[in-house]
Amino acid sequence: AQSVTQPDIHITVSEGASLELRCNYSYGATPYLFWYVQSPGQGLQLLLKYFSGDTLVQGIKGFEAEFKRSQSSFNLRKPSVHWSDAAEYFCAVGRYNQFYFGTGTSLTVIP
Amino acid sequence: GAVVSQHPSRVICKSGTSVKIECRSLDFQATTMFWYRQFPKQSLMLMATSNEGSKATYEQGVEKDKFLINHASLTLSTLTVTSAHPEDSSFYICSAKDGSYEQYFGPGTRLTVT
Repeated sequence: AQSVTQPDIHITVSEGASLELRCNYSYGATPYLFWYVQSPGQGLQLLLKYFSGDTLVQGIKGFEAEFKRSQSSFNLRKPSVHWSDAAEYFCAVGRYNQFYFGTGTSLTVIP
Repeated sequence: GAVVSQHPSRVICKSGTSVKIECRSLDFQATTMFWYRQFPKQSLMLMATSNEGSKATYEQGVEKDKFLINHASLTLSTLTVTSAHPEDSSFYICSAKDGSYEQYFGPGTRLTVT
């Protein structure tokens, strides 16, 4: 069965520190992978996506993610977190009209 | 490009009334639109998938008669919550596809049923 797991419900980091948000998936075929960010009361904004090719993908706002097929993972990283990065982050996998979202990781950034 | 709008952004309605939420793709033609529901502090749950000109496909457990979806054109889909009750209060998000594998999300609609 297809599923997405984000093991960390909530993460707190200091401003300027590095960040890694974990995402593991279970999918029958080669997945298309996405990371979205959601601010309170807002819709989802796409940070980055992976369809094929280079397994390290760059996104907006300084984020990057690495697809590791052997580990069924697509972890999101940022070298230096800004206070404005505080939000909810969702990993998603899918193809065509089938999209599966993780439960989200809430990021708090402390000064 | 690839902007999706929703209207209204917030709506309060009385129990027993119906409310319509619009989802529009502003700068592309959406072959497929999706409606999601999001409870506080939770992930998005797909309610239904709609293709222009055809009936929506509802996910298991979603009441078709309660959540009416119409995808009348390639740029507009509507979700009507009929006979709304307080338990229908939620954040509803639509998304749209242009034929690629990517979904573009609307800003969401906060529905409160009193």
